Amino acid sequence: TQLLEQSPQFLSIQEGENLTVYCNSSSVFSSLQWYRQEPGEGPVLLVTVVTGGEVKKLKRLTFQFGDARKDSSLHITAAQPGDTGLYLCAGLLGEYGNKLVFGAGTILRVKS
Amino acid sequence: KAGVTQTPRYLIKTRGQQVTLSCSPISGHRSVSWYQQTPGQGLQFLFEYFSETQRNKGNFPGRFSGRQFSNSRSEMNVSTLELGDSALYLCASSKDRVDSPLHFGNGTRLTVT
Repeated sequence: TQLLEQSPQFLSIQEGENLTVYCNSSSVFSSLQWYRQEPGEGPVLLVTVVTGGEVKKLKRLTFQFGDARKDSSLHITAAQPGDTGLYLCAGLLGEYGNKLVFGAGTILRVKS
Repeated sequence: KAGVTQTPRYLIKTRGQQVTLSCSPISGHRSVSWYQQTPGQGLQFLFEYFSETQRNKGNFPGRFSGRQFSNSRSEMNVSTLELGDSALYLCASSKDRVDSPLHFGNGTRLTVT
């Protein structure tokens, strides 16, 4: 079983719709990161959330870290075809070094 | 500023062979991490090197090893290749703070036949 459960696995929506991707765990993370990956490329960091209850906005993307630092969500408003890609959440384990645990990812397809 | 560079981009090997993958981090980044990405298992942590020392290790067999050089460049080696080792191998570099963001390369696509 995955340490970080990400849902949904696949999402196909029309341009202009809103969507939310969830990332849940029974473990507490010191921080949680969201990445976006396009075919043939490595993941690119979108945001890092550190404090429980923290909300960060990046244009049409809103990221939230749960109060207990065990879960997070990514909400996209008015999705556009350019948002298409694989969205990954990743939790930082431990206090020493960079050991990220990734969720399985959400494949998002936005149709025009 | 140049990004993380991984070579080669594609590699085809036969079962039983060994392979070495290379990663050049962003200048000034001292931490290099390696991940394996497959459709079934997603991204899985292999190991992290900092200042030429392995600082963290994932749950992979001893056939997977790595090293880091004094210029922070890193190599990953897989011996006695198995079909299940076919994957995209990603390298990521970061500065030496624990919460520094990871910068990923575009990966090496390894196919084992």
